[in-house]
Formats: sequence, C-alpha cells, structure tokens
Amino acid sequence: DAGITQSPRYKITETGRQVTLMCHQTWSHSYMFWYRQDLGHGLRLIYYSAAADITDKGEVPDGYVVSRSKTENFPLTLESATRSQTSVYFCASQGQQKNTEAFFGQGTRLTVV
Amino acid sequence: AQKITQTQPGMFVQEKEAVTLDCTYDTSDPSYGLFWYKQPSSGEMIFLIYQGSYDQQNATEGRYSLNFQKARKSANLVISASQLGDSAMYFCAMREPGAGSYQLTFGKGTKLSVIP
Repeated sequence: DAGITQSPRYKITETGRQVTLMCHQTWSHSYMFWYRQDLGHGLRLIYYSAAADITDKGEVPDGYVVSRSKTENFPLTLESATRSQTSVYFCASQGQQKNTEAFFGQGTRLTVV
Repeated sequence: AQKITQTQPGMFVQEKEAVTLDCTYDTSDPSYGLFWYKQPSSGEMIFLIYQGSYDQQNATEGRYSLNFQKARKSANLVISASQLGDSAMYFCAMREPGAGSYQLTFGKGTKLSVIP
C-alpha cells in the first residue's frame, strides 16, 4: 500500500532497554522527519533527514539515534530508554516542493516503565 | 521565543456555526509556509490547508479558510458551518525553507469541541 507506515503502533518497554521505531514510506520522498508529541508541547522535531545517508538533529535529539541507509526507511532508536521518552512518536515525509504538506504516519505510542 | 503561538488551548462552537482558531508566528525569513493540521481523537495528523508567504490571496479548502494577515504575522484558521466531526485538536505549523531542512515547527494546538 502506498503511504507512510510506522511500526509498532504501541510499545511498552523497560527503562534502560534499547528500542527501535520503524518508519517506511513508498513515495520516494527526499525528506523524512521524526517528531514526538507530548501534552502541552505540540509536536517537537527529534531528527530529520534530507536524503539517504544525510541526517541532522532537531529540537530534542538527546537519547535518540537515527539512520537512513535507504530512501524509504528512517528508523528511530532509543539507545537506553528513559521514562521521559514516554510519548507518541510521529514519522513524516515530504517531497522536494517547499509548498507541499508533510505526510504523517499513524504514530507510535511508546511507554517506558 | 516561540515561533508558533496558539493562544486558545480549548474552544467550543455550536454545530453549524463558524469558528476561528488563532495562530501567530515569528520568523525573519521572507519565504515561509504556514500549515494547519487536524488531529482527531484517533490520533492521525490530517493536513487541512496551506498558505505561502508570497500568496496574494487567502487559502481556502472547502469549509476551511485561512485568514492570513502578513503584517500582523497571523494565520488564523476559519472553519465554516462546524460539524460534529470537526471536534479535534488543531495545530498550526510553519516551514522556513531558509533553514534548509523543510521541517515544520508546530504550535501547541487548540482543542476544538463542537456542541450539537
């Protein structure tokens, strides 16, 4: 199916564990993004990627690692999960045109216990 | 300083009435884009409308219109003839291409409740 998909949709993990959130898009969009959504903060950018093998930090990158070996995939890894990383995570993608919208995945609700 | 400010945490509107959701922004980039997204209780982010900084006319998409006042740096979303399905969180966002990343900066959102 065309679109952008995230997996898993829900995840519970323990403090200190490594966890990877997956994001896959089928449009061959150049740009991909990871945001986290917390009550009272809206969506905040964690990392973004302008193309395969090009990634950069956003507003709240600490504790997260990303990679983009293929254009269609942009996984987000929490190297050692903390309770403060309990959040809803959204992946998004967009094309080269600056006046086009970003398309969002369904979100992953992560709980760190 | 916040780049996107949404001053209304929550709003109520009667069904079939119009409602305006406020958004002000802060940028020194002459070229920017403003977006509105809807997030229903199911959680997905739905794109509603876009306004470019150089667009001469206010954007419209069906029942959604954007009241763009460039000098005041405001981009308010107007929803006409509200429906029960409009109950959701609404986020205003800005893109500043000068930053090179095409990222969106979001406001904190406004929760709209439509009353039957």
